[in-house]
Amino acid sequence: EAAVTQSPRNKVTVTGGNVTLSCRQTNSHNYMYWYRQDTGHGLRLIHYSYGAGNLQIGDVPDGYKATRTTQEDFFLLLELASPSQTSLYFCASSGLGGSEQYFGPGTRLTVL
Amino acid sequence: AQSVTQPDARVTVSEGASLQLRCKYSYSGTPYLFWYVQYPRQGLQLLLKYYSGDPVVQGVNGFEAEFSKSNSSFHLRKASVHWSDSAVYFCVLRTGGNNKLTFGQGTVLSVIP
Repeated sequence: EAAVTQSPRNKVTVTGGNVTLSCRQTNSHNYMYWYRQDTGHGLRLIHYSYGAGNLQIGDVPDGYKATRTTQEDFFLLLELASPSQTSLYFCASSGLGGSEQYFGPGTRLTVL
Repeated sequence: AQSVTQPDARVTVSEGASLQLRCKYSYSGTPYLFWYVQYPRQGLQLLLKYYSGDPVVQGVNGFEAEFSKSNSSFHLRKASVHWSDSAVYFCVLRTGGNNKLTFGQGTVLSVIP
């Protein structure tokens, strides 16, 4: 069974704060993804990565940075958090060849 | 640009009734299509997928979906729903070799006991 974990599960910060969301996968997958989920929008892709040291821009990247330090670990960085970034964030991983993506349990971020 | 539309934001059915959740996609190439389910306070789980071949694909927990190229649709069906099927269902389109996914807005399914 593929495994993707996220931490923290819940986070509250203030406007202008600095936040790091962590994701780890133990599937030996090459691809990792960060999404945000908002009512009425489904999931929207923020950033993704093909492997350690690689970063690709997704569909809603503004205000977010990401870093892939190892094959297992993918981080999402909010350096100046804003209330518009209040959302539910999901990490996912997938193997080569277009296989399905495996999702983590999500991190709920609130920016006051 | 590709897109996925789930025209029903909310669907309510009685336990034991049949179910169809609608999905329409827009993509000029060969689509790879998925249905994912999100149970309360959980991540997304794959229900089924369609890559090619038989247009009716079977998934977990009695779900199936039918691909129609002429209608650009990928509707999800179940013959008899259970209260535990209450969840949010997402129709998802994969395009290209980079494995990027395009999600529909989701359909909230409520099953009344």
